[in-house]
Amino acid sequence: ILNVEQSPQSLHVQEGDSTNFTCSFPSSNFYALHWYRWETAKSPEALFVMTLNGDEKKKGRISATLNTKEGYSYLYIKGSQPEDSATYLCASISGYSTLTFGKGTMLLVSP
Amino acid sequence: KAGVTQTPRYLIKTRGQQVTLSCSPISGHRSVSWYQQTPGQGLQFLFEYFSETQRNKGNFPGRFSGRQFSNSRSEMNVSTLELGDSALYLCASSWETSGYTDTQYFGPGTRLTVL
Repeated sequence: ILNVEQSPQSLHVQEGDSTNFTCSFPSSNFYALHWYRWETAKSPEALFVMTLNGDEKKKGRISATLNTKEGYSYLYIKGSQPEDSATYLCASISGYSTLTFGKGTMLLVSP
Repeated sequence: KAGVTQTPRYLIKTRGQQVTLSCSPISGHRSVSWYQQTPGQGLQFLFEYFSETQRNKGNFPGRFSGRQFSNSRSEMNVSTLELGDSALYLCASSWETSGYTDTQYFGPGTRLTVL
């Protein structure tokens, strides 16, 4: 994988559903993987910065895991709420590159 | 603590003109990065400044330039504007780098429209 890819592109769930997204990134010379939440009309907000293989981070109902050997990270949201509606971005940095962003997963949570 | 601020928030220019955007980082942050977002694209890295020096540069033409002042405030300039430069321009600041392990804090962005 040369670019950072996120799937799905968009997701529509009901309030209370749990959901997860995938971020795939180049695994060679990996340095760090970032997750951001970007709500409409607001600035992207940092969720997690992950660096170690097997790393797991949690912030309230949101958690993330990291597999640097195979080049993927999962973001989980437990019991989605309407306020979780946003675009979730991941970005990786490896080798001598700069932070490379995926196109994001747009989540819509209906009441 | 005040967040990252960007001015102006909205800007309309015509082709061939030039534009300067400004970014004030969080107090104490020395790294400022600039990104461009166009419809259907992810955030594209433009450049990063640290202690008044450009440390990294993305794959953009020379019409895009920037600088950083001693107080860490940064400006980016786009000369000879093209229609394709219409985008949201975001800046982000962090303590040290453009994203190794430091959290980046984003500003609200400047929406540039080129007519």
